[in-house]
Amino acid sequence: HLQLQESGPGLVKPSETLSLTCTVSGGSFNNLTYYWAWVRQPPGKGLEWIGSLYSSGNTYYNPSLKSRVTISADTSKNQFYLILNSVTAADTAVYFCASGNPVRNWLDPWGQGTLVTVSA
Amino acid sequence: DIQMTQSPSSLSASVGDRITITCRASQSISNYLNWYQHKPGKAPKLLIYASSYLQGGVSSRFSGSGSGTDFTLTIGSLQPEDFATYSCQQTYISPWTFGQGTKVDI
Repeated sequence: HLQLQESGPGLVKPSETLSLTCTVSGGSFNNLTYYWAWVRQPPGKGLEWIGSLYSSGNTYYNPSLKSRVTISADTSKNQFYLILNSVTAADTAVYFCASGNPVRNWLDPWGQGTLVTVSA
Repeated sequence: DIQMTQSPSSLSASVGDRITITCRASQSISNYLNWYQHKPGKAPKLLIYASSYLQGGVSSRFSGSGSGTDFTLTIGSLQPEDFATYSCQQTYISPWTFGQGTKVDI
């Protein structure tokens, strides 16, 4: 059974770079039946899709974040990553990693999320 | 972007109640609509995909319906573990977007 777990710093300074890791266990990282995604939820707001990484290596990002975000993976470590540059307080959120269905794009399963606060 | 609007934003209910949450899309999304349950500190859980298909392992008291722009999630008989926030998501046109969430509490 696939399981995902986010990790990374809980505090990032404004203008710096947010870096998170998602470690995947319980399944094949290169399985073509799913892809990898990041989603976030700012305090008091709804969920926001950040972007997705497919087994082909293709990535798709939310246009609202595209200029600042990179999603990549290290298959040897069963991990994928989120990098968000030039963060501001508006990037404070709980960040989730998830596995996606490549046909209909639902997300399942998810990690439990990690809170990242942007503050000096 | 397609806007997803849920109603109500919150509701209070009791164990055993039947409740319905509505999700409306700003344009037609066919049946590309998914429902999630999430609780603080826990991984969000997929309940319903493609508007009406129950994800494996999810209780049959959950059901979904709708097509086009209007969708509903119904919980047939609320259980204590169902008090949570529920969010809809459209995956018809990228960027995938979510509703703002509906918090169900006691």
